[in-house]
Amino acid sequence: SQQGEEDPQALSIQEGENATMNCSYKTSINNLQWYRQNSGRGLVHLILIRSNEREKHSGRLRVTLDTSKKSSSLLITASRAADTASYFCATAGRGGSGSRLTFGEGTQLTVNP
Amino acid sequence: GAVVSQHPSWVICKSGTSVKIECRSLDFQATTMFWYRQFPKQSLMLMATSNEGSKATYEQGVEKDKFLINHASLTLSTLTVTSAHPEDSSFYICSAPGLAGGSYNEQFFGPGTRLTVL
Repeated sequence: SQQGEEDPQALSIQEGENATMNCSYKTSINNLQWYRQNSGRGLVHLILIRSNEREKHSGRLRVTLDTSKKSSSLLITASRAADTASYFCATAGRGGSGSRLTFGEGTQLTVNP
Repeated sequence: GAVVSQHPSWVICKSGTSVKIECRSLDFQATTMFWYRQFPKQSLMLMATSNEGSKATYEQGVEKDKFLINHASLTLSTLTVTSAHPEDSSFYICSAPGLAGGSYNEQFFGPGTRLTVL
């Protein structure tokens, strides 16, 4: 079952601005991952943050994780029109759940040139 | 990164027919693969976990007799939608975890298969 909630559901910004998306989840996790999906395409892995990490960077991406609040945020700095896509967070549970992922509802990001 | 392919990329079929979708890991072995379904403007819903050499594990509410999964080799899993109906029309996506297969690894997703049932 889906446990993640993301907000906002849709975000429209101008090129060069920063975009922040939030994700909340309900159960204990092993790690949290962010994926990107262009319309009608498969998913591309962006970044993985483990439950014992609080912040991680990759290029223009910055992810934070607050396990006490069961939430994460994805920040895209200096956005570009090519960043237009849907962004999903996904959590991997503990124990025997292995690589099984539970996805959030997603945020549709539109970056206007 | 590792590559996962799906075939076909899109398919249109008549109601009542069966459709097979293939998911292949091209440059790595995958003892486990996952099948998701995604309706327009919605998130991915996990349908089942495909296990090489054993039966698939289905999520609650997913009919195992309707969505047949076969994981015959370490690089191939197939999903067959049997007696398809218009409500089965959706985007089907498979994925495979990274080489180590552990929960710390990212998953590699196929490009998806668009199924339209008339």
